[in-house]
Amino acid sequence: NAGVTQTPKFRVLKTGQSMTLLCAQDMNHEYMYWYRQDPGMGLRLIHYSVGEGTTAKGEVPDGYNVSRLKKQNFLLGLESAAPSQTSVYFCATLLSSGGLDTQYFGPGTRLTVL
Amino acid sequence: AQSVTQLGSHVSVSEGALVLLRCNYSSSVPPYLFWYVQYPNQGLQLLLKYTSAATLVKGINGFEAEFKKSETSFHLTKPSAHMSDAAEYFCAVSGGSNYKLTFGKGTLLTVNP
Repeated sequence: NAGVTQTPKFRVLKTGQSMTLLCAQDMNHEYMYWYRQDPGMGLRLIHYSVGEGTTAKGEVPDGYNVSRLKKQNFLLGLESAAPSQTSVYFCATLLSSGGLDTQYFGPGTRLTVL
Repeated sequence: AQSVTQLGSHVSVSEGALVLLRCNYSSSVPPYLFWYVQYPNQGLQLLLKYTSAATLVKGINGFEAEFKKSETSFHLTKPSAHMSDAAEYFCAVSGGSNYKLTFGKGTLLTVNP
């Protein structure tokens, strides 16, 4: 049981390049989230999904796209990377069981855009 | 709409001293409140959560927090700091749809020997 995994752990991009970050979970959780963490800013929600085939915008969605084709995977894409997207990206998952549940976080992906 | 304010971006205490990390929230609906801890180069780990069952919440590693509705606060405390408590701590509120979390900006806790 690996929980929440993120691939890759580190990446360096040049401005204008594209890439996809993968979040995978083996807990059969319905909800998945992508956050970015910047110094002094806490975590901010980029996009989220409430189930397979669904996606929705969070607080800071510009410059990112997401897809949830399979329940266990949530992909975050950067079509044309910019230095402002240099950040640490965290994925989180949550099982909705009618009550309040906890978001479980992955280990993060550190992205640098030059 | 909801928001979280963490007072003090950096708190420094001596080993064995009281730890107090402050969190105030704003929420238009009854909130659920969380404290997460982040050790260097790691993801976030849940310390404790308030879900309206009890106002004093006990978490892992000896931490606890008290929900005070009148003060819109959810401060985190630990009676005696340990070197291993050095980390960044985040307060978060959930009260809207889809269990979305709104985080504070974090408080870095330093523990001095």
